[in-house]
Amino acid sequence: EDQVTQSPEALRLQEGESSSLNCSYTVSGLRGLFWYRQDPGKGPEFLFTLYSAGEEKEKERLKATLTKKESFLHITAPKPEDSATYLCAVPGVNSNSGYALNFGKGTSLLVTP
Amino acid sequence: DAGVIQSPRHEVTEMGQEVTLRCKPISGHDYLFWYRQTMMRGLELLIYFNNNVPIDDSGMPEDRFSAKMPNASFSTLKIQPSEPRDSAVYFCASRPAKEVTEAFFGQGTRLTVV
Repeated sequence: EDQVTQSPEALRLQEGESSSLNCSYTVSGLRGLFWYRQDPGKGPEFLFTLYSAGEEKEKERLKATLTKKESFLHITAPKPEDSATYLCAVPGVNSNSGYALNFGKGTSLLVTP
Repeated sequence: DAGVIQSPRHEVTEMGQEVTLRCKPISGHDYLFWYRQTMMRGLELLIYFNNNVPIDDSGMPEDRFSAKMPNASFSTLKIQPSEPRDSAVYFCASRPAKEVTEAFFGQGTRLTVV
């Protein structure tokens, strides 16, 4: 069964203190890895999709990278507004009609001033 | 586009009552998903539809849960009878039929069963 594991569960950073979040996956034939951001009381909001090992994507202070076994979400010089839960997901296997995303439990990030 | 629209945003009900959650997907999206989110289990897939047809309902916890999609612009998730352990945030999401692409989520319905 496909598995997505995120670490750490929670992370507290000082403003400006760079760090990385990890998403490891076990899936045969990865068709994409998705990162989402979720703010309290809201639905997950799409950030990135990575399709192959070595691929990188950036958005403001966030950079996502992908290897054959895991993905990292690097946060450079974070600001308090980056505080959120970050979720990663992979497409589940479905033989006939498309797929649904299987999510990890997320990393709750708190950035303090 | 207004995005995926869910109603109600909050629902408080007594154990044993029927609960109906509603979702309007983004126009033109062929896939619709229902997820449930709890602190313990995270975001779990309950069921999804392709062109209004249920494809995989293996995540539906038990027979008390049912979902329908009578047309391309509306879906319901029903719980009858509801139990306190059903308390969670329920999300609806949709995406187009493109091979590998992201899903767009609604704001969720927070269900509390007392």
